[in-house]
Amino acid sequence: EAGVAQSPRYKIIEKRQSVAFWCNPISGHATLYWYQQILGQGPKLLIQFQNNGVVDDSQLPKDRFSAERLKGVDSTLKIQPAKLEDSAVYLCASSLIKGSEAFFGQGTRLTVV
Amino acid sequence: GEDVEQSLFLSVREGDSSVINCTYTDSSSTYLYWYKQEPGAGLQLLTYIFSNMDMKQDQRLTVLLNKKDKHLSLRIADTQTGDSAIYFCAENGGYQKVTFGTGTKLQVIP
Repeated sequence: EAGVAQSPRYKIIEKRQSVAFWCNPISGHATLYWYQQILGQGPKLLIQFQNNGVVDDSQLPKDRFSAERLKGVDSTLKIQPAKLEDSAVYLCASSLIKGSEAFFGQGTRLTVV
Repeated sequence: GEDVEQSLFLSVREGDSSVINCTYTDSSSTYLYWYKQEPGAGLQLLTYIFSNMDMKQDQRLTVLLNKKDKHLSLRIADTQTGDSAIYFCAENGGYQKVTFGTGTKLQVIP
């Protein structure tokens, strides 16, 4: 079974630039999560989708972050404009149903300079 | 809101047992998880326990849950150098949101 795919693996941008990350969850998984993991901290949930609807985006900085999952499969997370404090690993995860085991991708390491 | 806390660092000798502790605040948690993260890698689910259980054993791993004290522990028997990683406790509480702890870095000394 293929796992959760994320791209790119690494990205370096200057502050105030824009960046987008892509996630392809495990086939058939209805729930998709985006987490932000700052160095030395645990992952923090940014947004949770159930199919193509948003379940929880309470910790998403909506002035600069946006995410979509238009067809209920792939998802993109965008940051515009980026700040230095956005430097982190962005992890995508999916689960078969809400609350079941979440499988994680390898993450995208973002460095904002 | 939900809060999950762990000690930051643990060092053990190869062959000894490791015990990693975690406390959480959300009494509505239904699942509690232990994830392992190796350098540069994603999170790997090691094991999980339902909130109505107090113990689960899986090969070298033993999970103990004290629901009254909201305390979770992971015991790794016969710890090996390959077990060196960061271990995250996580809980699945209200609204099915998974909240992670800060992680415990386990260092295994040969």
